[in-house]
Amino acid sequence: SQQGEEDPQALSIQEGENATMNCSYKTSINNLQWYRQNSGRGLVHLILIRSNEREKHSGRLRVTLDTSKKSSSLLITASRAADTASYFCAFSGNTPLVFGKGTRLSVIA
Amino acid sequence: DARVTQTPRHKVTEMGQEVTMRCQPILGHNTVFWYRQTMMQGLELLAYFRNRAPLDDSGMPKDRFSAEMPDATLATLKIQPSEPRDSAVYFCASGLPDRVETQYFGPGTRLLVL
Repeated sequence: SQQGEEDPQALSIQEGENATMNCSYKTSINNLQWYRQNSGRGLVHLILIRSNEREKHSGRLRVTLDTSKKSSSLLITASRAADTASYFCAFSGNTPLVFGKGTRLSVIA
Repeated sequence: DARVTQTPRHKVTEMGQEVTMRCQPILGHNTVFWYRQTMMQGLELLAYFRNRAPLDDSGMPKDRFSAEMPDATLATLKIQPSEPRDSAVYFCASGLPDRVETQYFGPGTRLLVL
C-alpha cells in the first residue's frame, strides 16, 4: 500500500507543551503536506514541503523532511487547546495525494 | 470567504436506495476530488477530475458508484444501490490549476446506510 503512516496514532499533552508527530512513506515523492481535521469537519491544509526542502516553518508549525529515510515530522510548539484535532500527512508523487491515517492530538488545558 | 460546499451534510437511508451527494468546488478550481473516510480505512481517494474530465476513478467500486461533473460548478457522487458498508463520511476537495497539490476540503457528507 502507498498509504503513509503517522506515529503516534494518538497523543495527549498539556497546553504549552510541544507536540511532535511523525509520518513515514514508501514511494518517491514530489512533496509532502500536513493537514488538520477538527472533529466533524473537513481537512484543512497546514503546510507543504517539497522534496528538495529539509525544513519549513509556518507560525508555530515546523515541518522536517528526510527523503533518505522517507519520513517527515510535524512539530507544534507551545500547543493550545484549540490545536486539538487529527493531523494527517499526505504526499504526492506520480499519483494524487495519498493520506495517512492520522494522529489524534489532544491538548489539555 | 471561498469554500467548497457539499450537500447534504447528513444522509440516512435504507439499503438498496440510491444516494446522490453533491459538491460545489471553489470558483476557479479545475481539479475536484472525492474521498471516503472511515475509521478502519482512513481517507481513501475514490475519483478525481480535472477540467471536468475524469482522470482516475480506480478507487471507486464501479458496479455501484459513479462520479460526474455536469458542469464546472457541480460534481456528483452517486451510489446505486447503497449498502451498509458504504456508511462513511464522503469528502469533496478542489484544487487550484497552478497549485494542484494543495486541496481545499468541503465539510463532508455523513452517510449512514441501514
